[in-house]
This record gives sequence, structure tokens and C-alpha cells, in this order.
Amino acid sequence: GENVEQHPSTLSVQEGDSAVIKCTYSDSASNYFPWYKQELGKRPQLIIDIRSNVGEKKDQRIAVTLNKTAKHFSLHITETQPEDSAVYFCAAYNTDKLIFGTGTRLQVFP
Amino acid sequence: KAGVTQTPRYLIKTRGQQVTLSCSPISGHRSVSWYQQTPGQGLQFLFEYFSETQRNKGNFPGRFSGRQFSNSRSEMNVSTLELGDSALYLCASSFNPDRVGGEAFFGQGTRLTVV
Repeated sequence: GENVEQHPSTLSVQEGDSAVIKCTYSDSASNYFPWYKQELGKRPQLIIDIRSNVGEKKDQRIAVTLNKTAKHFSLHITETQPEDSAVYFCAAYNTDKLIFGTGTRLQVFP
Repeated sequence: KAGVTQTPRYLIKTRGQQVTLSCSPISGHRSVSWYQQTPGQGLQFLFEYFSETQRNKGNFPGRFSGRQFSNSRSEMNVSTLELGDSALYLCASSFNPDRVGGEAFFGQGTRLTVV
């Protein structure tokens, strides 16, 4: 079955710097890759997603890239702000199953 | 449009008991998935239901089961509770008729504590 690995598990950056979170997946049949943000005590919420027929997608300060050959996908956050502090989860979808990575705790220091 | 609703929000049970959790999806969503969230393990997939049929399941023991009703509401049951079952249980609904993946909307979760 699908396995998603996510790195790093924690990431600390200064406000205004960029943050990059990387994920790898194992099943080449996976075709949809969302990223979720979970603030403390709250439910996960979708922040950006990408499908397997697209290599890159951008939405304001966040972007996601996908390398299907290497089975890698990454989240890029530019000009980080304290409100970006949260746990971020990548996921891969295949056959009615959305498999999540173990999460990255991002801390943005003012 | 109302969001995904899970009940109860908190539950304390003793080892050996069983528990039933409920999830009401967003109106019009027929896919409901369940996840177990624990510190360090992230979100682990339990199972997915669509139109009352379990389409996929994760690697959990048979003590974990679920079902979906004709109105898309779903229940999850855990029998013979163990201390390690203590976790936040999240359900998510999505509009995924073509099975190509789409945004999953999560409920607030049910915090289960087994003592």
C-alpha cells in the first residue's frame, strides 16, 4: 500500500524567511496530492493541492511542486509570518484512500 | 452550508469497553473517511465509505469497524478498547463521485481517552 514520508518533523524559521517541507510517496498510481494545515486544537484544513498531471501550482505565498518520476512533492512558503505557525501534513490519494505524512511542525519566530 | 459534525467531542472509556463515534458529513458529500490522530503518528487512515459501501480500509485490527447510512452519516465502532486506542478520531467528508480525489473537509474530532 501507499506510504508517505515527510521531512523535516520540525522547522523553525525567522519571520520573512522561506520554509520548505518535502514528501515522498511510494505508489506511482497516486494521483492527487493535497497539503493540510492544522493549527493547535483545530481541524486540518486544505491549503493547496496538486494533481499528477501538473508539475507546479502557486497560490500567493504558498506553492507546491511535484516530481512524478522521483515521487517527490514539496510545499514552499515564502515570506513566512507568525500566523503560518502550525503543523503541516502532506498526503497522497489513491483508490479512495488519502494517506498522510507524519506532519511538520513549523514555528515562525518574529 | 453546515460543516462536518462529529459527536461526541470527548469520551472517556475503560479498557475492554466498546465505543461508537458519529460523523455527519457536509450535505451532498457521499464519501466519508475516518482517521486516528496521535502525537508523532500523524493522521492514520482507518476506512472510507461511499454510498453505504466500505471502499477501502487501513491497517487497523478488526476491533475497528464502521458503517455508513443512506443519508451518508457514518459511525465508527471500536470494541474491546485498549489503552493505545486513546487518540483524536477525525472524520472527513468529500464530494468525490469520480474517485479522483478532492478536498476533504474535516470535523472537529472526537477525543477518546481509554483508562
